[in-house]
Amino acid sequence: RKEVEQDPGPFNVPEGATVAFNCTYSNSASQSFFWYRQDCRKEPKLLMSVYSSGNEDGRFTAQLNRASQYISLLIRDSKLSDSATYLCVVTWYGNTGKLIFGQGTTLQVKP
Amino acid sequence: EPEVTQTPSHQVTQMGQEVILRCVPISNHLYFYWYRQILGQKVEFLVSFYNNEISEKSEIFDDQFSVERPDGSNFTLKIRSTKLEDSAMYFCASRTGTQSNYGYTFGSGTRLTVV
Repeated sequence: RKEVEQDPGPFNVPEGATVAFNCTYSNSASQSFFWYRQDCRKEPKLLMSVYSSGNEDGRFTAQLNRASQYISLLIRDSKLSDSATYLCVVTWYGNTGKLIFGQGTTLQVKP
Repeated sequence: EPEVTQTPSHQVTQMGQEVILRCVPISNHLYFYWYRQILGQKVEFLVSFYNNEISEKSEIFDDQFSVERPDGSNFTLKIRSTKLEDSAMYFCASRTGTQSNYGYTFGSGTRLTVV
């Protein structure tokens, strides 16, 4: 079983749409959770951390369900500039802070 | 905003040659990492480095790979005898010791092409 699993997509949505991405992780000892954004051939960039209580940053909302080992990202009012690959990332207790990446979900926002 | 700097941005090398990828982490960061991403695949952890030694390495990081922090500022990844399958983007990252958000910063990567 993959450590972090995502639907690769692509998700093709019109501008202004709401889109949701899901991610599951296999290690129940996972400690911290993040969504990263990666543009083509560029480095991953932190979009937001994910907390158990859920958290929001502008048009982006992240949720964590530890019991189901499930993480989600909701993007409201999609912009053309949101087109990218969204990476689900986890770390776990006792390791050296290495990040475990999912394959990523590709989003293409069309005019 | 402080940056992690990687050089070169693109390197082409012949199979069997040695390559050294260079990174300058953020100056007050304590933990250093190398990751790689083969085209079309996920980002994979290679090695972590703390207090002048390797703290963890993945199965990918075999005897062909080594890391050094020779002068307290640079952090290098050496591949001794490159193979075609080493072609990938290599990302350096560094972070502070702060637990709360890890403070991870990635460099812009080196694209290694082995021919």
